Amino acid sequence: QKEVEQNSGPLSVPEGAIASLNCTYSDRVSQSFFWYRQYSGKSPELIMSIYSNGDKEDGRFTAQLNKASQYVSLLIRDSQPSDSATYLCAVNIRAYRGSTLGRLYFGRGTQLTVWP
Amino acid sequence: NAGVTQTPKFRILKIGQSMTLQCAQDMNHNYMYWYRQDPGMGLKLIYYSVGAGITDKGEVPNGYNVSRSTTEDFPLRLELAAPSQTSVYFCASRPSETEAFFGQGTRLTVV
Repeated sequence: QKEVEQNSGPLSVPEGAIASLNCTYSDRVSQSFFWYRQYSGKSPELIMSIYSNGDKEDGRFTAQLNKASQYVSLLIRDSQPSDSATYLCAVNIRAYRGSTLGRLYFGRGTQLTVWP
Repeated sequence: NAGVTQTPKFRILKIGQSMTLQCAQDMNHNYMYWYRQDPGMGLKLIYYSVGAGITDKGEVPNGYNVSRSTTEDFPLRLELAAPSQTSVYFCASRPSETEAFFGQGTRLTVV
């Protein structure tokens, strides 16, 4: 199993719809989870961070974390064409049992297209 | 506030040449990272550092070397460049196990 896996996509939704992005991770002790957005040719930029089980909302974005299931998701409500980008899930992973969670691993990314 | 600065932005190397990708941050972050991103793929971790003098391998370290003599700088060395190293390289930093901040990337082509 890969350290961080995302639903493969690409994902295409109409403007105004809800886009749902999913991510699973392998390390049971991971504590910090991040969603980044990356426009073509640009650097990743942080959208959301989440550290506790449950939901975290920020404007049109909601991150959901379930540590027991090792699952984190991102919902984008009222999707806009400007949301069209690749969304990357990132998780802190241990290098080995007992080490720190210093490794920050990324999933492959899900390409989202929001059409007018 | 410059954040994370990578140089150069673009580079073409011939097979077998060597080069150093520079990364500097002015946020006094302990953790620094090097990633590569191939077309249509996510970020793959090459090396990382949790403080000056401490480095460790990531997912794809072969063909690369790093050093961390200061908190600010984290150069990535490519020895004997190969076409498989054609990629976009991103440097990132963060204070601890929190969000990471990225540089603008270096687009490297090996021909």
